[in-house]
Amino acid sequence: NAGVTQTPKFRILKIGQSMTLQCAQDMNHNYMYWYRQDPGMGLKLIYYSVGAGITDKGEVPNGYNVSRSTTEDFPLRLELAAPSQTSVYFCASSTGLYSYEQYFGPGTRLTVT
Amino acid sequence: GQSLEQPSEVTAVEGAIVQINCTYQTSGFYGLSWYQQHDGGAPTFLSYNALDGLEETGRFSSFLSRSDSYGYLLLQELQMKDSASYFCAVFGNTPLVFGKGTRLSVIA
Repeated sequence: NAGVTQTPKFRILKIGQSMTLQCAQDMNHNYMYWYRQDPGMGLKLIYYSVGAGITDKGEVPNGYNVSRSTTEDFPLRLELAAPSQTSVYFCASSTGLYSYEQYFGPGTRLTVT
Repeated sequence: GQSLEQPSEVTAVEGAIVQINCTYQTSGFYGLSWYQQHDGGAPTFLSYNALDGLEETGRFSSFLSRSDSYGYLLLQELQMKDSASYFCAVFGNTPLVFGKGTRLSVIA
C-alpha cells in the first residue's frame, strides 16, 4: 500500500493564480482531511470529508474548496492565491471521523508570492 | 471550542528521560493522541489514551488524567533521532484538534 500520497511536493504560485493540490489514499478510508501547517505551528483543519460526495468545513476554510467524487481522491482547490496561503498542506485519512489515529501524506509546500 | 497547551520547546540529553505535558479544554472528549513530526516530514501517530493511566509503547509512554484535563508523553533512553516536534491532539465529537507542538532537541 502506498498509503496517502500528495502531489505536487513543492509549488510556487503568483498572487491571484489558482491550483489544485492532489491527495489520494489506497486504504479504503471513508474519512479524509486537509490541514495547513504554518511555521512553528500546529495543524489547522481546512476541510474534511466523511465519504464520496460529502464534505464539511473545518477551522480555516476561507479561500479553499474541496470535492470528493471517489473514496480514494480528495483534491483541494485554491482559487485566488494570496500570500496568507503560503504554508505546508497535509492531507490525511482515517477509519473513523473521530478516530484517534490519522494517516498523513508527505505534504505539499506552497509559496505564494 | 477546544484548546490545547503544550510547551513550545524542550531540550534534553541523549540517554535521559523527558516529559512533554499537554493540558486541554474541550467538549465531547474521548481521548488524547500524540504525534511525532520530524523536520520536513509528515506527522506520524505515536500513541493514544482514552482512559486514565499510563500506556507504554517501547521507549514511549503516554499518560492521561481526565479529571485534570491533562496528559503527557514520556520518552525514555533518548536518542538523537528523537529530535522532532511532538503534538498532542484531542479526539472526541469533532475531528482531531492539534496543539501547537513541542520541539524536542536531544543533545549529546
